[in-house]
This record gives sequence, structure tokens and C-alpha cells, in this order.
Amino acid sequence: AQSVAQPEDQVNVAEGNPLTVKCTYSVSGNPYLFWYVQYPNRGLQFLLKYITGDNLVKGSYGFEAEFNKSQTSFHLKKPSALVSDSALYFCAVRDSTGRRALTFGSGTRLQVQP
Amino acid sequence: DARVTQTPRHKVTEMGQEVTMRCQPILGHNTVFWYRQTMMQGLELLAYFRNRAPLDDSGMPKDRFSAEMPDATLATLKIQPSEPRDSAVYFCASGLVTASNYGYTFGSGTRLTVV
Repeated sequence: AQSVAQPEDQVNVAEGNPLTVKCTYSVSGNPYLFWYVQYPNRGLQFLLKYITGDNLVKGSYGFEAEFNKSQTSFHLKKPSALVSDSALYFCAVRDSTGRRALTFGSGTRLQVQP
Repeated sequence: DARVTQTPRHKVTEMGQEVTMRCQPILGHNTVFWYRQTMMQGLELLAYFRNRAPLDDSGMPKDRFSAEMPDATLATLKIQPSEPRDSAVYFCASGLVTASNYGYTFGSGTRLTVV
């Protein structure tokens, strides 16, 4: 069975500073990895995905994620945080058995202070 | 932009009542998922369908939950009878799953409160 760990419940960062939200995964076979963001009282919005290819994946709203196979990590990054980036972020891995359902991490709340 | 539509957005019901949540997937998407979100458990997969056929509902309490896709434009999740522990936000997501596409779009969710 696949799993995702987000070790930080909350990340605090000052506006304009770089941010990192951590994610590690466990999966048999090739990992298909995703990041989603959830704003209050809203559904999940897709940010980016890694399927194959370059280890640095660029996504929406200036976010990017770095895939590291040896460390089984897929950390979300942004060079300069905005207050509007404050939200709940979920890392997810696609099922490797072919079901193609996503298994989500527990989520990390990002708080960007002005 | 195409979107997944879920109704109702909010539902408050008494314990023991039947609850039906509806989802209209994006036209042309061949896969539909139901997820439940709670503070304690996070996001849990309840069931999913491919081309309207149920492929996995192992995450769903079978005695009270049922999920169906009567046609390509409607997916339903029913709880009968409802219990306070069912209080959660229920999300539907749809996607066109092919060899080269892995994107899923989530609806805004149904916030269920069972009192």
C-alpha cells in the first residue's frame, strides 16, 4: 500500500521569504505525485504533479516541487511567499496498483505573515 | 472552466435520517471518486467509479453507505441511517484517466452535520 507523510502540521513564513512544505512518500513501483491546495470552505485545487521527467516540476501560482527519488521526497517550494498563499496544502500519491485513486497526506497549514 | 458540481453545499440532519449527496462530474470524465474529510482522519477515499462501474468501495462502511452512478452525469452517495460520526465534508472528484493524463478536479464539497 502507498502512503504519504507530511511531517509538519503548520509552516509559518514571512511574506517575501522562500517557503518549503515537506512531503515524503512510500509506494511500490514508479511514484506519481501531486500537490493540492485547499482554501477555507473550498474544494481541493490542483497545483502540480510529477509523473516522469525533470525532477523539478513547475506548477500554478509560482509553486514548484522537487522530486528526490533517493530520499523519497516531493517537497513543495516557492521562492517568495505571498499572504494569499496561506491555505492548507496536501501532498498525494497515486495508487500503483492501477486503481488510480489518490492517497493524501494529512495536510500542512501554511501561514504567511505580512 | 469546467467544474465538478456538488449538491447540497451544506446539510444538517437528525441522526437516523437518510442523506443523499449528489455530484455532477465534468462532461467527458470517465472516473469519479468520493472522498470524506474530517479533522481526525484527513482525506479518506470512500469509493470510485470508472465508466460508471464501481471499482472500489472498500473505504465505505457498507452497512449504511451506498454509492451509485445512475448515468454519466450523476453520482450519488447515500447514508442510511446517518449517525453523528458521519459529520464531515464529502468531496466528489472526477478525472479523465488515460495513459498520459492523471488530472483530477474536485468539487467544493458537501458539509454534512448529523445531530
